[in-house]
Amino acid sequence: DAGITQSPRHKVTETGTPVTLRCHQTENHRYMYWYRQDPGHGLRLIHYSYGVKDTDKGEVSDGYSVSRSKTEDFLLTLESATSSQTSVYFCAISPGQNSGNTIYFGEGSWLTVV
Amino acid sequence: GDSVTQMEGPVTLSEEAFLTINCTYTATGYPSLFWYVQYPGEGLQLLLKATKADDKGSNKGFEATYRKETTSFHLEKGSVQVSDSAVYFCAAGNNRKLIWGLGTSLAVNP
Repeated sequence: DAGITQSPRHKVTETGTPVTLRCHQTENHRYMYWYRQDPGHGLRLIHYSYGVKDTDKGEVSDGYSVSRSKTEDFLLTLESATSSQTSVYFCAISPGQNSGNTIYFGEGSWLTVV
Repeated sequence: GDSVTQMEGPVTLSEEAFLTINCTYTATGYPSLFWYVQYPGEGLQLLLKATKADDKGSNKGFEATYRKETTSFHLEKGSVQVSDSAVYFCAAGNNRKLIWGLGTSLAVNP
C-alpha cells in the first residue's frame, strides 16, 4: 500500500461545472503527479508537482489546473468540465531519483461528464 | 523525443505457458526501466524495475533485463497463471517523469 488516497473515487458531473479531485499521501514524498487513462492512449501526464507550490504542466494540461499548498495534498481542478474529460484519473507519488524515479499510484478516480 | 513501444495485445495464453511481452525504448541518457501491472478496476502496481544496463528486475516469477545495446526491457514469465491476467505497462524514467508504453492486455485461460 503506497499511502495514497484519492477522492472522490467516483463522480458524475454535468458539462460546464467545476470539479476538484483530491490526492492525499502519507509518505511525505516530494513528487506528485496527476495522470489520466483512456483506451488507446495509455497513461498521459496532466500536471506534476516537485514541491509545495511548485508545479508544472504535462502533455495534456489544457482545461486542468492544480494546486499543492501542503506536501501531502495535490488537487486537480477541472474549471469547466467537458465530455472529453470523462476518464479515469490517477494520482501518483515518487521520492525522486533516490528511488530510481519509481512512482506509486493511487487507486483512481472515475469521472463521468454528462 | 523519448518514447516507449511495447507489443500490442491482447495476448491470450493457456495456463502454464511461457510469456514474453516486448518493450523497447528511446530515451536520452540512462533511464530507469519499469514494468507495472494493472488489474481490472485498480491502479497500476510496480511489478519490477532495473536502474542500469544488464540489471535484471524480478518479482512474482516475472523477469526483465535492461539491455542497453538493444534498448529493450522485455518481460518474461516461465509459467503463467490465470491470476496473471491483467494489463502490463512498460515505462522509462528520466528527470522525474516516466514515459509510458500503451499497455499490453494479457488473458490467461485455465
